[in-house]
Amino acid sequence: GQNIDQPTEMTATEGAIVQINCTYQTSGFNGLFWYQQHAGEAPTFLSYNVLDGLEEKGRFSSFLSRSKGYSYLLLKELQMKDSASYLCAVMDSNYQLIWGAGTKLIIKP
Amino acid sequence: GAVVSQHPSWVICKSGTSVKIECRSLDFQATTMFWYRQFPKQSLMLMATSNEGSKATYEQGVEKDKFLINHASLTLSTLTVTSAHPEDSSFYICSARDQTSGFDTGELFFGEGSRLTVL
Repeated sequence: GQNIDQPTEMTATEGAIVQINCTYQTSGFNGLFWYQQHAGEAPTFLSYNVLDGLEEKGRFSSFLSRSKGYSYLLLKELQMKDSASYLCAVMDSNYQLIWGAGTKLIIKP
Repeated sequence: GAVVSQHPSWVICKSGTSVKIECRSLDFQATTMFWYRQFPKQSLMLMATSNEGSKATYEQGVEKDKFLINHASLTLSTLTVTSAHPEDSSFYICSARDQTSGFDTGELFFGEGSRLTVL
């Protein structure tokens, strides 16, 4: 079966760095997405990785290793507004998105 | 980026009534739109894939006669929850991929979501 695993919840301190991991097992691979979702709102796009390596975009970076079925989202200089759920999603060989359950990130002052 | 508009944002209805939710791609064409449902503290669950000009494809366990989907144009898909019951109360979100240029990056653009409460 297809499976996306990511931690349920993480806590970090304002100004610090946090890494949210995502492992996946899917039938085929056409890219991995990270989305941010604030409570009561729809998800917003953060990043897309289809090749191995690190993609940096401001305070957020996303890493992919296809051989290991592994990705992480790195958030630097954490701000209170970064408190949200972070969803990992993989596009399989049929171009369907398989979603992880999301990681709730709690930022403390 | 591309914009997807969803309406209404909030709806409260009585049990047994029907509710229609609209999803529009404002500045791009979307041959395919996706309807998700999300219960509190859970991830997105794909309900169905809406295809312009043809029947929607429903995920296993989703009743097609209860959740009617119409995708009459390249910019509009509607989801109608028929004979709604309290257990249908949820956050419904639509999304689409920008397929206007023929080059699909795979990125999903989400509507704002519609929170349905059935009394």
